[in-house]
Amino acid sequence: AQKITQTQPGMFVQEKEAVTLDCTYDTSDPSYGLFWYKQPSSGEMIFLIYQGSYDQQNATEGRYSLNFQKARKSANLVISASQLGDSAMYFCAMREDRSGAGSYQLTFGKGTKLSVIP
Amino acid sequence: DTGVSQDPRHKITKRGQNVTFRCDPISEHNRLYWYRQTLGQGPEFLTYFQNEAQLEKSRLLSDRFSAERPKGSFSTLEIQRTEQGDSAMYLCASSRTFPTGTSGRAGFNEQFFGPGTRLTVL
Repeated sequence: AQKITQTQPGMFVQEKEAVTLDCTYDTSDPSYGLFWYKQPSSGEMIFLIYQGSYDQQNATEGRYSLNFQKARKSANLVISASQLGDSAMYFCAMREDRSGAGSYQLTFGKGTKLSVIP
Repeated sequence: DTGVSQDPRHKITKRGQNVTFRCDPISEHNRLYWYRQTLGQGPEFLTYFQNEAQLEKSRLLSDRFSAERPKGSFSTLEIQRTEQGDSAMYLCASSRTFPTGTSGRAGFNEQFFGPGTRLTVL
């Protein structure tokens, strides 16, 4: 089974509108972290936001917020007030703690291509 | 700019040749990771170093692949006898070690990525 599922291959959003990018994950580990990265056409992965499995509140970073629903195993990224520069690939990723064994590898989804329309 | 750097940015080689990539992490980061990204996919983990010790290796890292981090600073990834299926973007990332208990049990450990090396095997 896929550990990270991003069901939207592509999304369009009007400039200045909000958009939600979906991410569901699969793990039996009670301790894990969820990440969102942005990858512009230049190729570099840019960290956006992090949510720990024990965090009580949804993470927020500027225009980015993470809608974390633990029971549903979803970690959707919300981008408010979209800008033209937000056009890029967006990847959801997970790091599992493996019951304290401490794995540091990230498992990525296939990504969602976001296009912001002027 | 003191971010993660990778060299070369692009490499074209013929099948059967050996190639070597270099990654320079952020200076205070003791953890270094290699990922591979093929077209239309997310990055896939290859291997991870803490200081000079290689602590995790993916099954994707066949015998033709070898990674080193001899002094716990820069790292090299070598692919021997390249195959067309090796064509991909090779990404390097680095992160700090946070004390246990910081930002939760799993820890934050944000990974900072370099610009990648795009390999094309003809």
